Amino acid sequence: AQSVTQLGSHVSVSEGALVLLRCNYSSSVPPYLFWYVQYPNQGLQLLLKYTSAATLVKGINGFEAEFKKSETSFHLTKPSAHMSDAAEYFCAVSDFSGNTPLVFGKGTRLSVIA
Amino acid sequence: EPEVTQTPSHQVTQMGQEVILRCVPISNHLYFYWYRQILGQKVEFLVSFYNNEISEKSEIFDDQFSVERPDGSNFTLKIRSTKLEDSAMYFCASLYQRDNTEAFFGQGTRLTVV
Repeated sequence: AQSVTQLGSHVSVSEGALVLLRCNYSSSVPPYLFWYVQYPNQGLQLLLKYTSAATLVKGINGFEAEFKKSETSFHLTKPSAHMSDAAEYFCAVSDFSGNTPLVFGKGTRLSVIA
Repeated sequence: EPEVTQTPSHQVTQMGQEVILRCVPISNHLYFYWYRQILGQKVEFLVSFYNNEISEKSEIFDDQFSVERPDGSNFTLKIRSTKLEDSAMYFCASLYQRDNTEAFFGQGTRLTVV
């Protein structure tokens, strides 16, 4: 069975500071990993995904994530936070074998302080 | 850009009433999903649907829930007799094929049971 753990339900950073949102996964097979963002009153938007190619994945809005198999981690980073980054971020895992759907973490709410 | 659309955006219903949440997946997609997100909690998988039948469902998806693809375009989630604890945001998602492609999510329907 797959699972995702997101450390920290709420992260607050200053505008211009580094953003680091943590995600650890558990999977019995090589996983596909995703980060989704949810802006207030909106749906889930894919930020980036890891699908067994390059371990450093670049996404939209300046975000990137690095797959570290030894640490079973897929942390999301952005060098410089912007006010518009304030949102809920969800890490998700899937092996896409059979009918296994995406399994989401509990989410991390990012606040950006001016 | 193709998108998954959900209607209504917000539905208020009385406990015990039936509700139908509607989704129009992306037209050439083959796999369809419903997820829900209770306020402040994680996004939870409900059901996946492929080839006009349920391919997987979670323990949340009990006999009160059903899904249907009545006309080849709409994908509906019916809750037969709503309970207070059904209040949540319900997300529909669709996927072209079961590999590493992106699952596209709708904007969600916020269901409030009173």
